[in-house]
Amino acid sequence: EVQLVETGGGLVQPGRSLKLSCVASGFTFNNYWMSWTRQAPGKGLEWVASITNSGGSTYYPDSVKGRFTISRDNAQNTLYLQMNSLRSEDTATYYCTRGMAYWGQGTLVTVSS
Amino acid sequence: DVVMTQTPVSLSVSLGGQTSISCRSSQSLVHSDGNTYLYWYLQKPGQSPQLLIYKVSNRFSGVPDRFSGSGSGTDFTLKISRVEPEDLGVYYCYQGTHYPWTFGGGTKLELK
Repeated sequence: EVQLVETGGGLVQPGRSLKLSCVASGFTFNNYWMSWTRQAPGKGLEWVASITNSGGSTYYPDSVKGRFTISRDNAQNTLYLQMNSLRSEDTATYYCTRGMAYWGQGTLVTVSS
Repeated sequence: DVVMTQTPVSLSVSLGGQTSISCRSSQSLVHSDGNTYLYWYLQKPGQSPQLLIYKVSNRFSGVPDRFSGSGSGTDFTLKISRVEPEDLGVYYCYQGTHYPWTFGGGTKLELK
């Protein structure tokens, strides 16, 4: 069974950094692209970042490009999202996904002073 | 960016009834590899989104055949027949053809 478990969310001040993790199990991690998608409270879904199975290429929308970095450790079956220069509009539940098909339960990031 | 427009924003349906949701994209979703990366998701209250349909018309693992997807180019439809209580929630369409990948605004399905 595919399982994706996100951790690392919490309350952070504007301008600070936070790193999310997603531990994957139930499939061969290094065979799949992985992504992060977020959902602001009461709002819709927004794709945040993707990484190829080898980690050699990454993709971002303009809203986070230059501030967020997606990475992976295939030996540890773990996906990461390093978030820098956080803004109030980054407040959201962040979901880890495998190929946009399987989703974790999400971790809430609140950016507030 | 590709804008995904879902209609209606909300929908009331009777149990056992049938309904459909429309999703239109601002440009063709046919990828250079020939595939059309149009997906449909359902987000039940308090839960993560779950994939229903991928590449326009393919039901994901475990999705009942009451759900069907159709369309091409820029115009897509999700049909739900014999609506059951567990079908209630917010439906999203999504395109993974053009960067940045984008979602529709959502359609809330409620009981009449």
